Amino acid sequence: EADIYQTPRYLVIGTGKKITLECSQTMGHDKMYWYQQDPGMELHLIHYSYGVNSTEKGDLSSESTVSRIRTEHFPLTLESARPSHTSQYLCASSKTGLTEAFFGQGTRLTVV
Amino acid sequence: AQSVAQPEDQVNVAEGNPLTVKCTYSVSGNPYLFWYVQYPNRGLQFLLKYITGDNLVKGSYGFEAEFNKSQTSFHLKKPSALVSDSALYFCAVRDRNTDKLIFGTGTRLQVFP
Repeated sequence: EADIYQTPRYLVIGTGKKITLECSQTMGHDKMYWYQQDPGMELHLIHYSYGVNSTEKGDLSSESTVSRIRTEHFPLTLESARPSHTSQYLCASSKTGLTEAFFGQGTRLTVV
Repeated sequence: AQSVAQPEDQVNVAEGNPLTVKCTYSVSGNPYLFWYVQYPNRGLQFLLKYITGDNLVKGSYGFEAEFNKSQTSFHLKKPSALVSDSALYFCAVRDRNTDKLIFGTGTRLQVFP
């Protein structure tokens, strides 16, 4: 099992609420990623980071924001949740270079 | 732009039979290719990768993949399928310029007893 953790695993929240999805890794990886995935569907990259204080938007436009103040921590924030944000969010990390990425267990978000 | 394609949404195979999950790629330069598996309500698990070297790559859980440069393919294979192999399988390529990991659309493998 990879040492990358996401909390919470499941979250049901009302429209308009602010939420933060947590992602932490203990492997010292420079690169971290957030993917959005509808159940059983393809993954869409929404944010990535090359290291501390580095964040980039991914291929799929997202209203969420991220920060990378510490190497091990890459939280994702939604300022005002909407039902269209209902999805599974997967965090991943990798070393620099031609290496595989390791994934967390995911957070399944439901906005009602 | 780097991309991978998985032409089959679903693959059905009987337990004990060999399985193949297809992946083709489109890259400029040398491809860096990966296979992942996803079980229900879980994150993705790394199975194997091709960076360079032997065209036949062996990975976890008895899976292997064959890199074919002339056909630009990287098909996932297993000689004898298990019911427990039933899951969603993703092929991916690492973009050499941005270092992003780009995934295919996924193939659902169903192994019947």
